[in-house]
Amino acid sequence: EIVLTQSPGTLSLSPGERVTLSCRASQSVTSSQLAWYQQKPGQAPRLLIDGASARATGVPDRFSGSGSGTDFTLTISRLESEDFAVYYCQQHGRSPRTTFGPGTKVDIK
Amino acid sequence: EGQLLESGGGLVQPGGSLRLSCAASGFTFGNYAMTWVRQAPGKGLEWVSSIGDAGADTYYADSVKGRFTISRDNSKNILYLQMSSLRDEDTAIYYCAKDAVARNSAWDGFDIWGQGARVTVCS
Repeated sequence: EIVLTQSPGTLSLSPGERVTLSCRASQSVTSSQLAWYQQKPGQAPRLLIDGASARATGVPDRFSGSGSGTDFTLTISRLESEDFAVYYCQQHGRSPRTTFGPGTKVDIK
Repeated sequence: EGQLLESGGGLVQPGGSLRLSCAASGFTFGNYAMTWVRQAPGKGLEWVSSIGDAGADTYYADSVKGRFTISRDNSKNILYLQMSSLRDEDTAIYYCAKDAVARNSAWDGFDIWGQGARVTVCS
């Protein structure tokens, strides 16, 4: 099973700041099989990025994904108030046994 | 735009059973693999079970294998999760989620999620 590690666990930031979230896999992941989700309190997760860098429908272009192999990054170029949430990375595709990272919480400083 | 709506959650005693349903609309349900993901209180996301688009292939996390059964009725656009021998550690919000790509040989990210069904196992 591929284990995903996300860092940091929590980030305290101000609106307008740039944020970079890290997701590291225990073994190499095909780029097409890495996704990022946003989850706000009381809501279901929302797909932001799939295939490591492809934004899902309706996702603002301030969100971008990059990376390959075992190291992947989600960047928010300029934080807006609605971006304060928990972000999860996910690996999928090898089998239906998908795994998620533990999440990074982005909260207001 | 597609939508998923879960129902059937509730409070159940340890050892009890519950069936969750997930009604799909706005997309061709039978073309997509479907998955159940759960989230224990204050915790992260955990894959529970997946089913292929035709319903013939099913997969389970080790933590629920032998206790949970996933199924689907493509004529009614409904996904099910039959849960039995429930344990305290099964307490969670259960989300149904749709694969992003139709009839794909690989397993994809989840582009549509339901609002979740809360399951509480407690004596």
